[in-house]
Amino acid sequence: QSVLTQPPSVSGAPGQRVTISCTGSSSNIGAGYDVHWYQQLPGTAPKFIISGNTNRPSGVRDRFSGSKSGTSATLAISGLQAEDEADYYCQSYDSSLRKVFGGGTKLTVL
Amino acid sequence: EVQLLESGGGLVQPGGSLRLSCAASGFTFNSYALSWVRQAPGKGLEWVSTISGSGVSTYYADSVKGRFTVSGDNSRNTLYLEMNSLRVEDTAVYYCAKDGGDLLTGPLEYWGQGALVTVSS
Repeated sequence: QSVLTQPPSVSGAPGQRVTISCTGSSSNIGAGYDVHWYQQLPGTAPKFIISGNTNRPSGVRDRFSGSKSGTSATLAISGLQAEDEADYYCQSYDSSLRKVFGGGTKLTVL
Repeated sequence: EVQLLESGGGLVQPGGSLRLSCAASGFTFNSYALSWVRQAPGKGLEWVSTISGSGVSTYYADSVKGRFTVSGDNSRNTLYLEMNSLRVEDTAVYYCAKDGGDLLTGPLEYWGQGALVTVSS
């Protein structure tokens, strides 16, 4: 069981906007630690797409955005495209001196 | 360009040992924390261990503490993960990743392609 909780799956039609939630606790997200997001395309290594809750690294499309409030964070993907079909993971830091991940969310583009 | 290249994966019997290596290039090796993250077949990502840029501080997941040891060689720009007393549940693809800074709180900015470790009799 993962420390951070994500929905197992979400789906949307091309062009739509989808959101993926990531819920933690007072020892990680709620303690003020940043949330980072990763995209993992089938058969490949994860790719870093959001850092520090809201920041997009160079080269990541502005269709991807992040937010954080309280003990939760959200990844939003707008203008959904077939190439966005992947697994998405949130990650933060826990005060027990460890990095923690969410269980992952499979995004299906209908 | 940052590159991370893992090696050393393979098949090992339960109770056995294996050492993974991660050759790093494209950044100042001792200025960034480096981490190992694993992914069991069909499962999600699990953080395993992080070593600070200086190599002085190391951190481990409870699931591997006491069995795995992370280290780095600045002269070779190489990260290692020594794995002992391996269990069937350690079977996974092991990724080497470069942190965004030298703090455990930062993101994993760059990832290697992964090395498969299979623990089976």
